[in-house]
Amino acid sequence: DAGITQSPRHKVTETGTPVTLRCHQTENHRYMYWYRQDPGHGLRLIHYSYGVKDTDKGEVSDGYSVSRSKTEDFLLTLESATSSQTSVYFCATGGAQRVYGNTIYFGEGSWLTVV
Amino acid sequence: DAKTTQPNSMESNEEEPVHLPCNHSTISGTDYIHWYRQLPSQGPEYVIHGLTSNVNNRMASLAIAEDRKSSTLILHRATLRDAAVYYCILRALLPGGATNKLIFGTGTLLAVQP
Repeated sequence: DAGITQSPRHKVTETGTPVTLRCHQTENHRYMYWYRQDPGHGLRLIHYSYGVKDTDKGEVSDGYSVSRSKTEDFLLTLESATSSQTSVYFCATGGAQRVYGNTIYFGEGSWLTVV
Repeated sequence: DAKTTQPNSMESNEEEPVHLPCNHSTISGTDYIHWYRQLPSQGPEYVIHGLTSNVNNRMASLAIAEDRKSSTLILHRATLRDAAVYYCILRALLPGGATNKLIFGTGTLLAVQP
């Protein structure tokens, strides 16, 4: 286990409200990722980070923003939640390839329902 | 990013070997082949990865075709705890090699019968 904690684990929110999901890691991994998982779509990359304050978009970034002000925390924000953002969100982390190989570790997921 | 193709589902009997196929005909020379699995209500977990040669670890074996356009994950003796969705993924390096990201497909749902 890579010491990944996601919070909250479950949340119900109303359409139009802002929501922030937090990913905290204790392994000092350089890389962090946010995925969403929906039936029929598998896991899709939303945003990722390759260092403090270094982030980039993934496959499905519209409607999401991220921030990484310190190594251990990667925040995913839905500025104005919509029902289409109801999903399970997974955070993942990975170290430098040479040191940690190519393994990426996943958190336990955050279930978000937008009503 | 290169894509992978896997069967939607497979079935196996407990304590029998399982061969999970994956096609990746557009793989590039520097793409590693990764396998992850996801148990119900959990995040994906790493299984194995390789580049050109076959690989073995305590969880599974990975057989890679000589032309690298396909691979097979082998579970030597399936158990009920191996019932999961198995993902075959090509590791995509970003420009400049600054990081690596995993692009998932829909995977293969493995059912294990007692």
